Amino acid sequence: RKEVEQDPGPFNVPEGATVAFNCTYSNSASQSFFWYRQDCRKEPKLLMSVYSSGNEDGRFTAQLNRASQYISLLIRDSKLSDSATYLCVVSRKNTGRRALTFGSGTRLQVQP
Amino acid sequence: GAGVSQSPSNKVTEKGKDVELRCDPISGHTALYWYRQSLGQGLEFLIYFQGNSAPDKSGLPSDRFSAERTGGSVSTLTIQRTQQEDSAVYLCASSQGATTAKEQFFGPGTRLTVL
Repeated sequence: RKEVEQDPGPFNVPEGATVAFNCTYSNSASQSFFWYRQDCRKEPKLLMSVYSSGNEDGRFTAQLNRASQYISLLIRDSKLSDSATYLCVVSRKNTGRRALTFGSGTRLQVQP
Repeated sequence: GAGVSQSPSNKVTEKGKDVELRCDPISGHTALYWYRQSLGQGLEFLIYFQGNSAPDKSGLPSDRFSAERTGGSVSTLTIQRTQQEDSAVYLCASSQGATTAKEQFFGPGTRLTVL
């Protein structure tokens, strides 16, 4: 079983739709969680960190469920520019060692 | 300010040749990471440098892969006797601070093709 698992998609949604992605992680010692965004043939960029209490940044909301070991990302009012691959990233320990594990990504395609 | 830069942007080589990939991190960033990404796949961790500490090489797939970081700044990833399965995009990232909880800033990558 992969340490971080995501549905690869693609998720095809119309503009204005709300879409949600889930990501599950297997290591209960995981401590830090992130969503990165990667556009086609580009490098990944941090979208948002995920905090225990959940957090929101504009149209984006991230949630963490430690008991069930999953993270979610909700995108409201989807824009064409949201089309990208969303990478779930988990950090096992806050020590600076090789602890960042990336999921394979979920591809989102927003259609006009 | 300048972001993470990598060179070359593309490299085509023949099986069995050695290649060197270069990464210039953001100035002042003490942590430097190498990853590779095969087509349609997630990022695979290769190696991590933090300041003057011994690098974490646990992600290197074989002894044909090595990396060094000189003067705490520029890093070079070397692949000896390249194989076709080494074909991938090699991404470098840097971050401030001593923990992986910090945002990582990625370079544009080097696309390696082994014929």
